[in-house]
Amino acid sequence: GENVEQHPSTLSVQEGDSAVIKCTYSDSASNYFPWYKQELGKRPQLIIDIRSNVGEKKDQRIAVTLNKTAKHFSLHITETQPEDSAVYFCAAINQAGTALIFGKGTTLSVSS
Amino acid sequence: GAVVSQHPSRVICKSGTSVKIECRSLDFQATTMFWYRQFPKQSLMLMATSNEGSKATYEQGVEKDKFLINHASLTLSTLTVTSAHPEDSSFYICSARAPGPSPEAFFGQGTRLTVV
Repeated sequence: GENVEQHPSTLSVQEGDSAVIKCTYSDSASNYFPWYKQELGKRPQLIIDIRSNVGEKKDQRIAVTLNKTAKHFSLHITETQPEDSAVYFCAAINQAGTALIFGKGTTLSVSS
Repeated sequence: GAVVSQHPSRVICKSGTSVKIECRSLDFQATTMFWYRQFPKQSLMLMATSNEGSKATYEQGVEKDKFLINHASLTLSTLTVTSAHPEDSSFYICSARAPGPSPEAFFGQGTRLTVV
């Protein structure tokens, strides 16, 4: 089945710096790649997603890039703020095309 | 967007008892819902896929007799943790996709289960 690897597991940056989180997936048939932000005890919140027919998508300070050949995708956050501190998960649609399979998560800490 | 509601948000039960968690799609019909388990500081692990009107599909390593899933209607799936033990304490969360071409998943609020 689908396997999603995520790095790094923790990331500490200074306010205003950029943060990059990378994920790889195993199933070449996967075609949907969302990123979630999760605060403690809360449900995951979708922050951006990308489908396999595009290579990049941007929404204000957040961008996602996708390399289908290499089977990896990345989250880029620019001008980080303390409120960006949270756990971020990448995900991919599994072989059956129904359930999301998640990476292990990245704890982002933005210090002011 | 579509709304998925999960109940209860928190539950404490004694070892050996059973606990039922409900997942409802409030403004759409969901033929398929998904149940995840999340241990502290870990990722969301897919437990099973709940199919309306048929048996759930369980992921490898998930005991179907311990985690009973019922999807009796197009808006409700339930997860029952039977004979709960402290190691079952976790955050359980459901999700569903709205009808149509969008693959976006909508999540319930999650249920914090503590078995004492």
